This record gives sequence, C-alpha cells and structure tokens, in this order.
Amino acid sequence: EVQLLESGGGLVQPGGSPRLSCAASGFTFTYYAMSWVRQAPGKGLEWVSTITSSGGNTYYADSVKGRFTISRDNSKNTLYLQMNSLRAEDTATYYCAKDQWESIPHSFDCWGQGTPVTVSS
Amino acid sequence: QSALTQPASVSGSPGQSITISCTGTSSDVGGYDYVSWYQQPPGKAPKLIIFDVSKRPSGVSHRFSGSKSGNTASLTISGLQAEDEADYYCGSYTSTITYVFGTGTKVTVL
Repeated sequence: EVQLLESGGGLVQPGGSPRLSCAASGFTFTYYAMSWVRQAPGKGLEWVSTITSSGGNTYYADSVKGRFTISRDNSKNTLYLQMNSLRAEDTATYYCAKDQWESIPHSFDCWGQGTPVTVSS
Repeated sequence: QSALTQPASVSGSPGQSITISCTGTSSDVGGYDYVSWYQQPPGKAPKLIIFDVSKRPSGVSHRFSGSKSGNTASLTISGLQAEDEADYYCGSYTSTITYVFGTGTKVTVL
C-alpha cells in the first residue's frame, strides 16, 4: 500500500524556518517526482514545489521561490521542504504528493494526510 | 501562475449528471493534454480521479469522465450519488514547468 506520512508542522513565528518531512513507503520512491501542495484554511489547493525523481531538478511557485527549498533523500525514501522567512500567508496544511511521472509536475496520484503549519506570533 | 477558473458551486439531484468547467489559457489547459481532476471530501486529502484530460486511475468509478475543448476542460459526474459531495479541483501542467490548480468547485447533492 502506498503511504505518505508528513511531519514537521506546527506553530511557527513569523520569519521562522521549519523543515517538513514526508516519509514514503509502498512504492519505488526513486522512480517518481514528488511535490508539495498547500491549502490555506477554507481555501483551495496551491501547488508549492516539485522535485524530479533523481533530485536533479526542482520547480517552485512564484509565491515561495527564494524562500522554500525542496529536496529528497532517495536512500531514506524521504521528501523534505525547508521553509524560510515564513509569513502569515504561508499558514496552511501542507500535503506531500507523489506524481505519476518522473520529470515534471503532471498528476498527483497519492497524497499524505497533510501537516498544518501556522505562522503567528 | 493564475489559478484556473472553476464555478464556485454546482448542485444536482441523485441520479442526475452534472458538469464542472475549468478554464485556463493556451499556456496550461489549452497547450497540453495534462489536465487532472481531484476530489476532496470535507476534512480529507485530495484524491486523483482523472488525469491526461480523460483517463481514470484504477478503482475510480466510470461515472467520472473528463474532456477538453480549447482552453476549457470539463469533468462530468453521471448518476450523481450522495457520496459524490465534495470539493473538486482541476489541475494542469504549465509551459513554465509549474503546476496550477483550479479555484475549486463545491458539489452538492440535493
């Protein structure tokens, strides 16, 4: 069974730098691109970032470019999101999502349960 | 990276068919056959129900179907059931190697 388990969320002060993790199991992690998608309270889905299967290429939404860094450790089947310079508007539930392709954000066929991040003083 | 445009809400009676539209541009929906649809029940994570405009993942009901014309994609739910009540989002690959979701549509079964 494919499983994605996020961790690392919580209450963070403005300007903080938490790191989210996503532990993957049940599929060959090294075959697929992985992404982060967020959802602010009561709002719609927003794509945040994608990393290719090898980790060689990364892509970001303009809203997080230069502040967030996506990475993966294929030896640990784990995806990460380093978040820096957090703002109130980054408050959201962050989902880890598996792509059906290896190289671009194409379609997300498996999602984690999400980890909430609240930016507040 | 503007969100794709969807109607805020669509409703129908059990057994009826409803259609949700998703309008983008030639840089996303119109430029590639990489449109997906996701179903998100209240309080749950999204689930992929359509990819590549009209393909269904294994296990997804045949009552869900997708299509595209120009810059607008559509999701049709046939034989509407109470369990179909959820938020639905379209999504598309874009020409700048990013991804964009739609604004979301709340489906209500009357």
